[in-house]
Amino acid sequence: EVQLVESGGGLVQPGRSLRLSCTASGFTFGDYAMSWVRQAPGKGLEWVGFIRSKAYGGTTEYAASVKGRFTISRDDSKSIAYLQMNSLKTEDTAVYYCTSVQLLPSSFDYWGQGTLVTVSS
Amino acid sequence: SYVLTQPPSVSVAPGKTARITCGGNNIGSKSVHWYQQKPGQAPVLVIYYDSDRPSGIPERFSGSNSGNTATLTISRVEAGDEADYYCQVWDSSSDHNYVFGTGTKVTVL
Repeated sequence: EVQLVESGGGLVQPGRSLRLSCTASGFTFGDYAMSWVRQAPGKGLEWVGFIRSKAYGGTTEYAASVKGRFTISRDDSKSIAYLQMNSLKTEDTAVYYCTSVQLLPSSFDYWGQGTLVTVSS
Repeated sequence: SYVLTQPPSVSVAPGKTARITCGGNNIGSKSVHWYQQKPGQAPVLVIYYDSDRPSGIPERFSGSNSGNTATLTISRVEAGDEADYYCQVWDSSSDHNYVFGTGTKVTVL
């Protein structure tokens, strides 16, 4: 059974940093691209970014709204994807979901349960 | 950037058919994926590549895509289908490579 479990969310002040983790199981993690999607309270879904598998260079792409502030990385030996969020803004407040993508640019096959990030002073 | 427009809400009686549209410029030339999100839960993929169903998704869910509109159809609607539904495409020219629709709340009367 595929499982994606996010952790690391919480309350953080504007301008500070936070790192989210996504621990995967039930599939060959290294073969998949991993993506992050967020959802502000009461709002729709917004793609944040993704990291390709090592077979495709392990490179990253980001939404314009987070480019230069957020960084996605992966540790295939531990089956973990990370989302490093710097210079956080109040508008980054959202539930952050980790998702798997079997082959870019296809659909988000599996989703974690999400972790809430609240940016507030 | 590429915009996907969905009706905010659709209401349907049990046993009837719900149709949720997703409008976008020449969306028929793109692959459309659909997600179901129930309150307090993560989204679930229900249709991929316009009309394919992942394993475990009932045959009542189907999709089509042509011209400027993609459609998710839910046949023989059940109370458990009440949820928000989002369409999604890939658009490499957009500032958001993955673009989601605005979402549609399906209410079962």
